[in-house]
Amino acid sequence: AQKITQTQPGMFVQEKEAVTLDCTYDTSDPSYGLFWYKQPSSGEMIFLIYQGSYDQQNATEGRYSLNFQKARKSANLVISASQLGDSAMYFCAMRERAGGFKTIFGAGTRLFVKA
Amino acid sequence: GAVVSQHPSWVICKSGTSVKIECRSLDFQATTMFWYRQFPKQSLMLMATSNEGSKATYEQGVEKDKFLINHASLTLSTLTVTSAHPEDSSFYICSARRLTEETQYFGPGTRLLVL
Repeated sequence: AQKITQTQPGMFVQEKEAVTLDCTYDTSDPSYGLFWYKQPSSGEMIFLIYQGSYDQQNATEGRYSLNFQKARKSANLVISASQLGDSAMYFCAMRERAGGFKTIFGAGTRLFVKA
Repeated sequence: GAVVSQHPSWVICKSGTSVKIECRSLDFQATTMFWYRQFPKQSLMLMATSNEGSKATYEQGVEKDKFLINHASLTLSTLTVTSAHPEDSSFYICSARRLTEETQYFGPGTRLLVL
């Protein structure tokens, strides 16, 4: 069964607008962490944001915020004021404590920012 | 920040040869390192988890005799693809985790092409 689901293979957003990338997850472990990574065409994985399952507030890092809805098991990434350099592949990932800190990745969403 | 390097960044080899890829944490000690493989336009697939001084834990379906992992020190892990074949051609990415942090830091990746 898919543990991390990203249903949007591709997304377009106009420069300077906000965009939401969807991510849902499935776990029975009460202790887990959720991550978002950006992968530009160079291939490197760039850490963007982290949300712990016990965190009360949604995580924010600059233009990135994570809309964490625990009951719905969703962890959507919101990018505000999109820039051309935001065009890349975005991966949602989850790490379960019971899994020994290994991280499982979703299929990814390719974001295209239009000028 | 935490920096992880990989060497080489690109390797082309003949079928049947072995290839060693190094993963180093440059400014921190990594208690755990992870090796991933990524095929074009696909997500990252975890191959194995390695802890310093102990045997690696391989994911289901990953041949441990083919993908040899050595985590000799807190800053170095190596992945050796033995008797490489064209189907082993892929993008190999390592990541490292500090004991006190939730986040994994990724290396820039190694593109392997087996002819």
